[in-house]
Amino acid sequence: ETGVTQSPTHLIKTRGQQVTLRCSSQSGHNTVSWYQQALGQGPQFIFQYYREEENGRGNFPPRFSGLQFPNYSSELNVNALELDDSALYLCASSLGTGVVETQYFGPGTRLLVL
Amino acid sequence: SQKIEQNSEALNIQEGKTATLTCNYTNYSPAYLQWYRQDPGRGPVFLLLIRENEKEKRKERLKVTFDTTLKQSLFHITASQPADSATYLCALVNYGQNFVFGPGTRLSVLP
Repeated sequence: ETGVTQSPTHLIKTRGQQVTLRCSSQSGHNTVSWYQQALGQGPQFIFQYYREEENGRGNFPPRFSGLQFPNYSSELNVNALELDDSALYLCASSLGTGVVETQYFGPGTRLLVL
Repeated sequence: SQKIEQNSEALNIQEGKTATLTCNYTNYSPAYLQWYRQDPGRGPVFLLLIRENEKEKRKERLKVTFDTTLKQSLFHITASQPADSATYLCALVNYGQNFVFGPGTRLSVLP
């Protein structure tokens, strides 16, 4: 186990709703990255938070937003859910920023949008 | 355009044989490349990292090679076992940027 936890494990929402996913990073890690993984594909980078500030963003619309708290845990918020948002959402924690060599993934949250 | 490809969606091999998985990329200049294992419904687990100036890395039954001229990494599992069955992902990192993952190869090791 990596020590990275995510909640909830599964979630069902309907189109247009909003969702908040949570991640607790590994002890001592100050960076959290979020990924979206559609079925049969590799994880796609959403954004990264370092010391409570966004530190890089992938090709995702503004309705995907996040937060990082002083204890380095993090939230991913998605507004106006669309069917294509159905995926496994992964968070990964690491230490530092820049060229991070190793990141540790949580088990993910499976989101289904109906 | 930038692209990462992994040789096949699925690979079946016999127990005891060597599994070889391929990761090819275009229009990236990675600082390093990583390989991850992912089991169904779980997050990826880091296996090996190889830097741009390294040709080969080994860890127990695993071996990774990195050819920046061919823009290719090969991932080998020797003496494969049914427990090695999983999806294997390659990920590369450009300087100053974040991880970019390939689509993965689903490996099945048959007893």
